[in-house]
Amino acid sequence: DQQVKQNSPSLSVQEGRISILNCDYTNSMFDYFLWYKKYPAEGPTFLISISSIKDKNEDGRFTVFLNKSAKHLSLHIVPSQPGDSAVYFCAATVANYGGSQGNLIFGKGTKLSVKP
Amino acid sequence: GAGVSQSPSNKVTEKGKDVELRCDPISGHTALYWYRQSLGQGLEFLIYFQGNSAPDKSGLPSDRFSAERTGGSVSTLTIQRTQQEDSAVYLCASSLAGALYGYTFGSGTRLTVV
Repeated sequence: DQQVKQNSPSLSVQEGRISILNCDYTNSMFDYFLWYKKYPAEGPTFLISISSIKDKNEDGRFTVFLNKSAKHLSLHIVPSQPGDSAVYFCAATVANYGGSQGNLIFGKGTKLSVKP
Repeated sequence: GAGVSQSPSNKVTEKGKDVELRCDPISGHTALYWYRQSLGQGLEFLIYFQGNSAPDKSGLPSDRFSAERTGGSVSTLTIQRTQQEDSAVYLCASSLAGALYGYTFGSGTRLTVV
């Protein structure tokens, strides 16, 4: 059973508009969340993260929102640019797992296409 | 090196053969992870090394899969008696101390079992 779900396999947005990528999780123990971006033939790269003690984290054009009661997070990209076209993965972890920091659990990804 | 290096970048092997995939993490990174991405799937956790602690092997799909990390640096993922369902991109990542610092991924090894 998937603990991290990205229900939209793809999203198409016009350049300059907002892109909203969604992620749901089922494990209430998760307390740290990350977004990764992946271009073809490259490894995923870290984009932005959020701790469960916050409900929002912003970095330039990227903002992540966390709704703990709904077990839902979203990534907003404003304004979207053609170079943002990539697969975006949501990931979650339990920060204090076993006294160390365990592995990340990833969703299946959402392919974002930003059209000029 | 500056990043995580994986070799080979592509590997085609016959069903039943053994393969070894190599990962050179970023120098000084104590945590090393192996994931795989099958077609249309997300990133599936395989194994995690943290310093000198016993590795977390909970994600390995069968006893045909094994991994080791020598001297706290280079890691090798070995798949014995490969099957077609093993075909995937195998990604290695390293981190300074754990997941909270974010991973740096390599470009992966694309394994095709024919």
